[in-house]
Amino acid sequence: GENVEQHPSTLSVQEGDSAVIKCTYSDSASNYFPWYKQELGKRPQLIIDIRSNVGEKKDQRIAVTLNKTAKHFSLHITETQPEDSAVYFCAARTNTGNQFYFGTGTSLTVIP
Amino acid sequence: GAGVSQSPSNKVTEKGKDVELRCDPISGHTALYWYRQSLGQGLEFLIYFQGNSAPDKSGLPSDRFSAERTGGSVSTLTIQRTQQEDSAVYLCASSLVGTPSGANVLTFGAGSRLTVL
Repeated sequence: GENVEQHPSTLSVQEGDSAVIKCTYSDSASNYFPWYKQELGKRPQLIIDIRSNVGEKKDQRIAVTLNKTAKHFSLHITETQPEDSAVYFCAARTNTGNQFYFGTGTSLTVIP
Repeated sequence: GAGVSQSPSNKVTEKGKDVELRCDPISGHTALYWYRQSLGQGLEFLIYFQGNSAPDKSGLPSDRFSAERTGGSVSTLTIQRTQQEDSAVYLCASSLVGTPSGANVLTFGAGSRLTVL
């Protein structure tokens, strides 16, 4: 089955700096890669996603890049703000089913 | 409904008791998932239902755990003879399954926090 690895597990940045979280996947059949943000005590919420036919997608301060050849995808947050502090999860979904495989999460702290 | 609803939001039980957790997915979503999240940990897959297909139970940690989905909508996760290590937040999620390249956004419920004393 699919195996998703996520790094780093914790990340601290100064407000205004950029943050990058990286994930790798093992199944070349995976074709959909969402990112979820989970604030303390809240449910995971989708913040951005990318499909395998696209290399990059941007939504205001967040962007996701996908390298299908290397089987890795990354989340980029620019001009970080304290409200960006949360746990971020990456996931991959294969086209052979509808199962989602999650990374282990990155705890991001933005220091004011 | 407008979102994924889970109940109860909090459940405190004694070791050895059975508990039932309920999930009501978004109307029309054919795929339903259960995940477990222990304090400060990631999302542990438990079980996945898709339409009338046999569920994927590969994530259930022991035979004390079971789940059913009646009428293709509401799902119940049952934990028998609860143990302290079962304490966690149990998250339900649903998605609309289309073509492999179509929209399959996974939407989570608020979770059921289970505490086993």
